[in-house]
Amino acid sequence: GAGVSQSPRYKVAKRGQDVALRCDPISGHVSLFWYQQALGQGPEFLTYFQNEAQLDKSGLPSDRFFAERPEGSVSTLKIQRTQQEDSAVYLCASSLSSSGSFTDTQYFGPGTRLTVL
Amino acid sequence: AQSVAQPEDQVNVAEGNPLTVKCTYSVSGNPYLFWYVQYPNRGLQFLLKYITGDNLVKGSYGFEAEFNKSQTSFHLKKPSALVSDSALYFCAVRGSMDSNYQLIWGAGTKLIIKP
Repeated sequence: GAGVSQSPRYKVAKRGQDVALRCDPISGHVSLFWYQQALGQGPEFLTYFQNEAQLDKSGLPSDRFFAERPEGSVSTLKIQRTQQEDSAVYLCASSLSSSGSFTDTQYFGPGTRLTVL
Repeated sequence: AQSVAQPEDQVNVAEGNPLTVKCTYSVSGNPYLFWYVQYPNRGLQFLLKYITGDNLVKGSYGFEAEFNKSQTSFHLKKPSALVSDSALYFCAVRGSMDSNYQLIWGAGTKLIIKP
């Protein structure tokens, strides 16, 4: 079956530009997570959705970062006025349930590599 | 505070030899532990997890991991390494008493299997 997909796979932005990164989770998955991964490092949590509700956005590094999942399926991570320090791989993951989200396996997309010049 | 440590940045193993990638953790309550593998330019692939029950967990591609509560460890193992196992391995954990939704991730261990 189809896994988690993300687009674009690569994005180059000039400093100050706005970018939008898309995540299509596995169909029927209730939980959706966004992570930021710096080169050679582990993922850092950004935000969590349960259906359309954003239940945790404690990992968003600044108010330039905004995420939404309006219909409880596709999610978009938006970064406004990009800075060089935003350069990273942005990973999306989904898991099946909400009540079991603490123990459910998270399935990851291939990521979007963002480079800010 | 919850944390996870992968003490080795890199592990080198000859093909056919057993491999171990180490992970230790600190969480509130019972730990929920995960191992993922990442190949270049690809997302993270799930290998196995420990939630409860048998301390020895078997996963994908012949990998297994042993949960040791007294040593707060969850080391990843494979009896006979393949060159294709060369990749970046991540351990992740959350605690049963954690109040947020976050998995805490280790920094990763690069596994190199030499022919």
